[in-house]
Amino acid sequence: TQLLEQSPQFLSIQEGENLTVYCNSSSVFSSLQWYRQEPGEGPVLLVTVVTGGEVKKLKRLTFQFGDARKDSSLHITAAQPGDTGLYLCAGRLSNTGKLIFGQGTTLQVKP
Amino acid sequence: GAVVSQHPSWVICKSGTSVKIECRSLDFQATTMFWYRQFPKQSLMLMATSNEGSKATYEQGVEKDKFLINHASLTLSTLTVTSAHPEDSSFYICSASSDYEQYFGPGTRLTVT
Repeated sequence: TQLLEQSPQFLSIQEGENLTVYCNSSSVFSSLQWYRQEPGEGPVLLVTVVTGGEVKKLKRLTFQFGDARKDSSLHITAAQPGDTGLYLCAGRLSNTGKLIFGQGTTLQVKP
Repeated sequence: GAVVSQHPSWVICKSGTSVKIECRSLDFQATTMFWYRQFPKQSLMLMATSNEGSKATYEQGVEKDKFLINHASLTLSTLTVTSAHPEDSSFYICSASSDYEQYFGPGTRLTVT
């Protein structure tokens, strides 16, 4: 079974704190995407990383793709209540092209 | 980013009836569309991959005769839930692929009574 392990699955922090979400797999991905999903809505694409070792920044969010393209992380600096939501990583398998999702991380940022 | 729409956004139907959900890529042509199912507080589960002009490829455990998928054009795919039962109640999300990125529709909440 090709799995993408995402952790933590739930995170509750205070406004201003930093946090990191991890996605790990034994499979190699041709690309990896991070999404954010609000209740009752579809996932919204935040970023796509393609190259091993790639780092992308989106304001207070930093995304990193592992050198071997098997893992990725999302780091949020100085979290705000508006960051609350479900964060999903999804990797595109190199062999099949299929996109597989991690379990998701529910983030709650308290004011 | 690219825009994907879904219709309806929610539907309530009686057990035994069929429901059709439409997925459209509004500003790009999608040769491949995907259908996912999501239960509360869980991640997305891929149901099937739909390629324009050909039969859909279903994931293991997904009944192809129950979840009929049609991808008649480069901008439209439909999912029909046939003879719906309460256990089919879920959040159904479609996705369309553009290059190596995948964009998602807003989802359809199906409730079967």
